[in-house]
Amino acid sequence: EAQVTQNPRYLITVTGKKLTVTCSQNMNHEYMSWYRQDPGLGLRQIYYSMNVEVTDKGDVPEGYKVSRKEKRNFPLILESPSPNQTSLYFCASSNDGSNQPQHFGDGTRLSIL
Amino acid sequence: QQQVKQSPQSLIVQKGGISIINCAYENTAFDYFPWYQQFPGKGPALLIAIRPDVSEKKEGRFTISFNKSAKQFSLHIMDSQPGDSATYFCAAHYNNAGNMLTFGGGTRLMVKP
Repeated sequence: EAQVTQNPRYLITVTGKKLTVTCSQNMNHEYMSWYRQDPGLGLRQIYYSMNVEVTDKGDVPEGYKVSRKEKRNFPLILESPSPNQTSLYFCASSNDGSNQPQHFGDGTRLSIL
Repeated sequence: QQQVKQSPQSLIVQKGGISIINCAYENTAFDYFPWYQQFPGKGPALLIAIRPDVSEKKEGRFTISFNKSAKQFSLHIMDSQPGDSATYFCAAHYNNAGNMLTFGGGTRLMVKP
């Protein structure tokens, strides 16, 4: 089954404690990205990657890091989480191109206390 | 600052009625306009999409109307059903930044039986 898998699905942690949210896709997609979803703001892109070892900032990259060492994996790293990073996070992947649908994971709800 | 403005934020429609969600954009470089449907606990899923050289696209009960001169587009759901109750996001694709999508703020639709 074609899917994007995120882990964990839920996490409650404290300010300053480094965390990583993993994302894996099994569709051999070149393009992967991370979004955060906040009420009334829709989804805002954090980082994206057009292929292995190629990453770039989206609209709201501050406080986040990513890496793309393998085509299928695109982890999101919060080195020193803060309460304003409490949000619902989605990973997505697609083939490259403007009319290629993005396939989203089921989300990771992060609460930073 | 959101580049894609979506309205209304919430919508209640009776079963069998027409649901209409509107979006407006400013950036004329957008080249592809998808709509995503999101159920609770799930990631957004592509519903229907349109390119700016087309004024209307219909797929089953879902229709996108596109007005390039006004920089507006809308989703119409005909014969709305309780199973359509979900959050809907319009989006716009900007080809100069990889496969980046800019999302509207979302509309929570409830269809009453």
